[in-house]
Amino acid sequence: KNQVEQSPQSLIILEGKNCTLQCNYTVSPFSNLRWYKQDTGRGPVSLTIMTFSENTKSNGRYTATLDADTKQSSLHITASQLSDSASYICVVSAKSSNTGKLIFGQGTTLQVKP
Amino acid sequence: NAGVMQNPRHLVRRRGQEARLRCSPMKGHSHVYWYRQLPEEGLKFMVYLQKENIIDESGMPKERFSAEFPKEGPSILRIQQVVRGDSAAYFCASSQGLALGSYEQYFGPGTRLTVT
Repeated sequence: KNQVEQSPQSLIILEGKNCTLQCNYTVSPFSNLRWYKQDTGRGPVSLTIMTFSENTKSNGRYTATLDADTKQSSLHITASQLSDSASYICVVSAKSSNTGKLIFGQGTTLQVKP
Repeated sequence: NAGVMQNPRHLVRRRGQEARLRCSPMKGHSHVYWYRQLPEEGLKFMVYLQKENIIDESGMPKERFSAEFPKEGPSILRIQQVVRGDSAAYFCASSQGLALGSYEQYFGPGTRLTVT
């Protein structure tokens, strides 16, 4: 069964600190991996999208890495801000899917405290 | 360019009633996806539609749920004879092309359905 597992489930950090969120997936063959940010009560917003040939992609203070061999991805947040408090979701698209169906992880809930 | 629009944002229905959720994709987008998010759970794919066609409904319950994306107007997710277990946030997303490639899926703000 194709799965996307994220860790930790939740995380609390102080403002200004860095953090790294993890994502392991078993989806195969793999097409692309995305990281989304979902604020409470809102829809997910895309942060990065990477194909299997990409190892890293940055979007401001967010940097995503991908190791297609070990089927692992990480999202690194630098110099966290209070507005970074949200759920971060790892999403994978299977290459075998001809419908664009995305498989979502459970998300990591990040709380940034002053 | 307005984003993906969903309405209503909040919907309360009694058990046995019908719920209709609407989604207007971004301008120029002809691919629409519906997802359900139960409390404390991740989003789950329900159905993928292109204009006037259901492409993949493998995530949608066989009974009581239906979806359409007519030539004109918004996409509609209909839930008949709602039960308490249908209470969830329903998100719509749209894309310009098939999300299998690098086409981005843009999400709406969601409709929160509460069944009393």
